[in-house]
Amino acid sequence: AQSVTQLGSHVSVSEGALVLLRCNYSSSVPPYLFWYVQYPNQGLQLLLKYTTGATLVKGINGFEAEFKKSETSFHLTKPSAHMSDAAEYFCAVSDLDTDKLIFGTGTRLQVFP
Amino acid sequence: SQTIHQWPATLVQPVGSPLSLECTVEGTSNPNLYWYRQAAGRGLQLLFYSIGIDQISSEVPQNLSASRPQDRQFILSSKKLLLSDSGFYLCAWSNDRGRSFFGQGTRLTVV
Repeated sequence: AQSVTQLGSHVSVSEGALVLLRCNYSSSVPPYLFWYVQYPNQGLQLLLKYTTGATLVKGINGFEAEFKKSETSFHLTKPSAHMSDAAEYFCAVSDLDTDKLIFGTGTRLQVFP
Repeated sequence: SQTIHQWPATLVQPVGSPLSLECTVEGTSNPNLYWYRQAAGRGLQLLFYSIGIDQISSEVPQNLSASRPQDRQFILSSKKLLLSDSGFYLCAWSNDRGRSFFGQGTRLTVV
């Protein structure tokens, strides 16, 4: 069975600092991996996804993530945090047959001025 | 282009009352449809998914049911709401392998 673990339910950074949100997955088959962002009382917006090919994936808003098979990780990074990045971030793995998403428990990012 | 509509945006219902949340998708045909729930302080959990009309799979035992009377319509229902049904409900669709698109969500508060 597939599963996702997000380390740290809350992460706080200063504006301009590096953002690092951690995600580890468990999957018996090559996974499709995703990062979604959720602003308060809104739906989920896709930041980026990894399916096949290049392991460093670039997404919207300056975010990127690297698929590391040996570490079963898909950590999300952004070199310089902006106040508008404050939101909840979800890592997810997809069931290849049905596109069902298995989510981590989420990480709330706070950005301080 | 494809769009997904979910309503209502917020809902306050008394315990024991019925529930009906509706989700419709435009601009695509034969999508996979999903209902997810986000409970307070928890991640998102898949409740139901559907690969076609009247084809519904339940992922977790619960007080809710889902129906798909038309290709692009997905309804989440309950006959009698419980306090534990409170949460943020998200509808999603997919027919492009490897990506799901989400509605704006419904905040349900059972009082």
